[in-house]
Amino acid sequence: KQEVTQIPAALSVPEGENLVLNCSFTDSAIYNLQWFRQDPGKGLTSLLLIQSSQREQTSGRLNASLDKSSGRSTLYIAASQPGDSATYLCAYSGAGSYQLTFGKGTKLSVIP
Amino acid sequence: NAGVMQNPRHLVRRRGQEARLRCSPMKGHSHVYWYRQLPEEGLKFMVYLQKENIIDESGMPKERFSAEFPKEGPSILRIQQVVRGDSAAYFCASSPTWEGLYEQYFGPGTRLTVT
Repeated sequence: KQEVTQIPAALSVPEGENLVLNCSFTDSAIYNLQWFRQDPGKGLTSLLLIQSSQREQTSGRLNASLDKSSGRSTLYIAASQPGDSATYLCAYSGAGSYQLTFGKGTKLSVIP
Repeated sequence: NAGVMQNPRHLVRRRGQEARLRCSPMKGHSHVYWYRQLPEEGLKFMVYLQKENIIDESGMPKERFSAEFPKEGPSILRIQQVVRGDSAAYFCASSPTWEGLYEQYFGPGTRLTVT
């Protein structure tokens, strides 16, 4: 059974702190991995897409890495802001597949 | 370029009624995916459609659920004789092709409440 685990389930940090969210997956034949942000009662916003041939992607204060051999991805958020408060979801698609398999997410609270 | 649109955003149905959820993909996207998010659970794949074709419905419950993506108009997820366990957020996503190379873009979701 393919699974995605996100640790921690919830995280509270003071504003300005750098933080790392973790995602682990059991499928070694990963094709790509996406990080999403979900605000309460809202849809999903795609943050970063890492293809299997890549090791990391960066967008502004966000940096995501992918280590297929260990089955792990991390999302690094620099200089966190209260507006970063949301649930962050990790999802991957397997080789030759279009289905995204999601983790349950990490709920981030950035305290002003 | 408008994003993925879903309506209604909130839907309340009594047990036994039918629920119809609509999804309009992004312009230029011909591939639609439906996912369900149960309370305290991650999103789960339900079905993948292209215009006039169901490609993969392996994640759909065997009974009461159906999906279509007609040549004209939005994709529709239909739930017949709803039960309380169907209460969830239903998300639609679209992409230009099926390949994982391309991101799936998600709509705002429809939150179904069965009373």
